[in-house]
Amino acid sequence: EVQLVESGGGLVQPGRSVKLSCAASGFTFSHFYMAWVRQAPTKGLEWVASISSGGRDTFYRDSVKGRFTISRDNAQNTLYLQMDSLRSEDTATYYCTRLDFWGQGVMVTVSS
Amino acid sequence: DIQMTQSPSSLPASLGDRVTITCRASQDIGNHLRWFQQKPGKSPRLMIYGATNLAAGVPSRFSGSRSGSDYSLTINSLESEDMAIYYCLQHNEYPPYTFGAGTKLELK
Repeated sequence: EVQLVESGGGLVQPGRSVKLSCAASGFTFSHFYMAWVRQAPTKGLEWVASISSGGRDTFYRDSVKGRFTISRDNAQNTLYLQMDSLRSEDTATYYCTRLDFWGQGVMVTVSS
Repeated sequence: DIQMTQSPSSLPASLGDRVTITCRASQDIGNHLRWFQQKPGKSPRLMIYGATNLAAGVPSRFSGSRSGSDYSLTINSLESEDMAIYYCLQHNEYPPYTFGAGTKLELK
């Protein structure tokens, strides 16, 4: 059974950093592109970033370029999202996803 | 970037109805189109992939179709468990990927 379990969210002040993790199991993690998708409260889904199966290629939405970094550790079956220089508009539930299977999501609240 | 225009934003319907939700792509995306269902407080669930293929475990009353740059999700004989928000996603060859704005399907 495919499982994606996010961790690392919480309340963070504007301008500060947080790192999200996603532990994957039930499939060969190193074979799949992975992504982070977010959803602000009461809003729709928004693609944030993707990473190739080997980790060499990364892609970001314009609003997070230069502030967020997606990475992966295929030996540990773990996906990461380093979020720096956080803004209030980054407040959302962040989902780890293979774009078919999804984690349960982790909330990040950016507020002073 | 590719834009996905999803309609309608709200869809009141009755149990047993047949409903259709549509996404229009601003550029060619081939069949790189997925449909997701999301219920309150839950993660999205894949319903359709490759524009027309039913995901595992999805009831056969759901179907996907394509006509040019228009992609549709149809639900035949609506059931109460189908009330949710539906999103399309274009995942063309390389990111950025784009979701539609969502369609809230609710009981009339």
